[in-house]
Amino acid sequence: ELKVEQNPLFLSMQEGKNYTIYCNYSTTSDRLYWYRQDPGKSLESLFVLLSNGAVKQEGRLMASLDTKARLSTLHITAAVHDLSATYFCAVDKGNTDKLIFGTGTRLQVFP
Amino acid sequence: DVKVTQSSRYLVKRTGEKVFLECVQDMDHENMFWYRQDPGLGLRLIYFSYDVKMKEKGDIPEGYSVSREKKERFSLILESASTNQTSMYLCASSLIPQWNEKLFFGSGTQLSVL
Repeated sequence: ELKVEQNPLFLSMQEGKNYTIYCNYSTTSDRLYWYRQDPGKSLESLFVLLSNGAVKQEGRLMASLDTKARLSTLHITAAVHDLSATYFCAVDKGNTDKLIFGTGTRLQVFP
Repeated sequence: DVKVTQSSRYLVKRTGEKVFLECVQDMDHENMFWYRQDPGLGLRLIYFSYDVKMKEKGDIPEGYSVSREKKERFSLILESASTNQTSMYLCASSLIPQWNEKLFFGSGTQLSVL
């Protein structure tokens, strides 16, 4: 059974600091997704990672994928308040378009 | 832009009622999904459909059924609502067979069963 674990579950960080969210998954998969959810809103796609070593960056967020370690990271550089949200990783279950989601990491950025 | 529309943002129902949650997408996507979101549990897949009249169980299908009579519409049915089905329900769609296709989510329906 595919399991997806994120840590930390909650992250409170100061503006300007760097931090990394980790996403581990239990079985082989070549597709990993990162989503963002603002309070009271739906999920918005951030990154799609399709191969080992894939790295994608947008603004202060950078995502990477190591399929051998079954690990993806979402790195936050010089955090700003606008990044406050819940971040989910999701892994494709057997390349079927069925995504299994992690529990989410709630990020709060304070001045 | 892809639009996934869920018919209700908030819904309050009583135990034992039959509940219909409707979802419509406007981009001719083959795949449609129903997830429920609970604090500390993330999103869990209830059912998905990869074509009209086709459906597959997800990880937590018990107590739910689905209907897909038209490509653009995917309905989630709670045959007899129970309090443990109080949750946020999210519908999503995606295009196949593009393997890099992400999911597009609706805005969600917060269902409370009293």
